[in-house]
Amino acid sequence: GNSVTQMEGPVTLSEEAFLTINCTYTATGYPSLFWYVQYPGEGLQLLLKATKADDKGSNKGFEATYRKETTSFHLEKGSVQVSDSAVYFCALMGIYGGATNKLIFGTGTLLAVQP
Amino acid sequence: DAGVIQSPRHEVTEMGQEVTLRCKPISGHDYLFWYRQTMMRGLELLIYFNNNVPIDDSGMPEDRFSAKMPNASFSTLKIQPSEPRDSAVYFCASSFTSGKLFFGSGTQLSVL
Repeated sequence: GNSVTQMEGPVTLSEEAFLTINCTYTATGYPSLFWYVQYPGEGLQLLLKATKADDKGSNKGFEATYRKETTSFHLEKGSVQVSDSAVYFCALMGIYGGATNKLIFGTGTLLAVQP
Repeated sequence: DAGVIQSPRHEVTEMGQEVTLRCKPISGHDYLFWYRQTMMRGLELLIYFNNNVPIDDSGMPEDRFSAKMPNASFSTLKIQPSEPRDSAVYFCASSFTSGKLFFGSGTQLSVL
């Protein structure tokens, strides 16, 4: 079945450091891939997405490229801020027979950015 | 739009009691999802609806859990009887088939 594996946290960085959170997936067909972010005490929010191979999703300085050859969708940011501290979830949605299927999340990675 | 609205925000109950969680999706959305979040298991999909019809309830842990969506603007998740291991944050989310889910703020459930 479809699944998502992401690196365990917590990831602790100093402000302005480079961020990478690894995510790999297993899926049949051509899933869409997502990164969601959860700030303390809140629900998840969509951060970025990519719907086909080689697409790059980007938002708020974060980027992720859909790599079909390595089945990966790693999240990166060149310079993190304290306000980026949150839990980041990688997710996929498979498309079967043209119908939208459910969103499957990874376990989440806690990012803590220190000033 | 006010977003996905969940109630209550916090619920503390005793083992054996019935618990009902409520969700109002964003108007016009045709998908509604119930997720449970714990430290041990992360974010788990319990059940989802499309146009008020349950599509996949394979994530519902056992018969103590039930979910309904009587109309497009309301859904409930009920646990009866509740157990301490049900303690978690329960999220409701809705979407318009685009893959972009909008989450509510969650219900923090503590079963003593």
